[in-house]
Amino acid sequence: AQTVTQSQPEMSVQEAETVTLSCTYDTSESDYYLFWYKQPPSRQMILVIRQEAYKQQNATENRFSVNFQKAAKSFSLKISDSQLGDAAMYFCAYRSFNFGNEKLTFGTGTRLTIIP
Amino acid sequence: NAGVMQNPRHLVRRRGQEARLRCSPMKGHSHVYWYRQLPEEGLKFMVYLQKENIIDESGMPKERFSAEFPKEGPSILRIQQVVRGDSAAYFCASSLRLEQETQYFGPGTRLLVL
Repeated sequence: AQTVTQSQPEMSVQEAETVTLSCTYDTSESDYYLFWYKQPPSRQMILVIRQEAYKQQNATENRFSVNFQKAAKSFSLKISDSQLGDAAMYFCAYRSFNFGNEKLTFGTGTRLTIIP
Repeated sequence: NAGVMQNPRHLVRRRGQEARLRCSPMKGHSHVYWYRQLPEEGLKFMVYLQKENIIDESGMPKERFSAEFPKEGPSILRIQQVVRGDSAAYFCASSLRLEQETQYFGPGTRLLVL
């Protein structure tokens, strides 16, 4: 079974600075998907970014980018120019490529605080 | 372009009552997933359904919990004879299922059992 580990329960960053959230995972599969979801105080789960394991290029979405290290099974999220609206819980998630196994496996989350 | 809809957003039940949670997927999506989030924890997978079929229920408790996704209408997660430990946020997600599509989440239902 796959597992996802987020070793930073809490992080804080000064507004406009850059912060990196860590995520590692364990799997025996070679093809899979990785996601970062954001959960603000409203508790709505919002997709931040997605990475396909077969792609070597790191995914980017505006101020959000990932550092995907397949051999190390590491998938960190970098937030540049942090904004107050980035304050939230961030969850890393894994999804198998295999048909019939589409469930997401989540880490325990990192609570990000933005300091004005 | 409505997203995933869940209702009710908040539900209060007394121990022993039944809770029915509804989820309408995004337009065109035929795959629905239910997840549970206990306080201060991450989301845990419960069940994956397609129209009229349960594909994966490996995360569902063996008793009191059931789910359906009928040909017409929303997906329903039913919890019978609720206990205090069922208090949680229940999230529904849907996907288009073209290759390995992203799952998009609804706003969740917060269930409180008194």
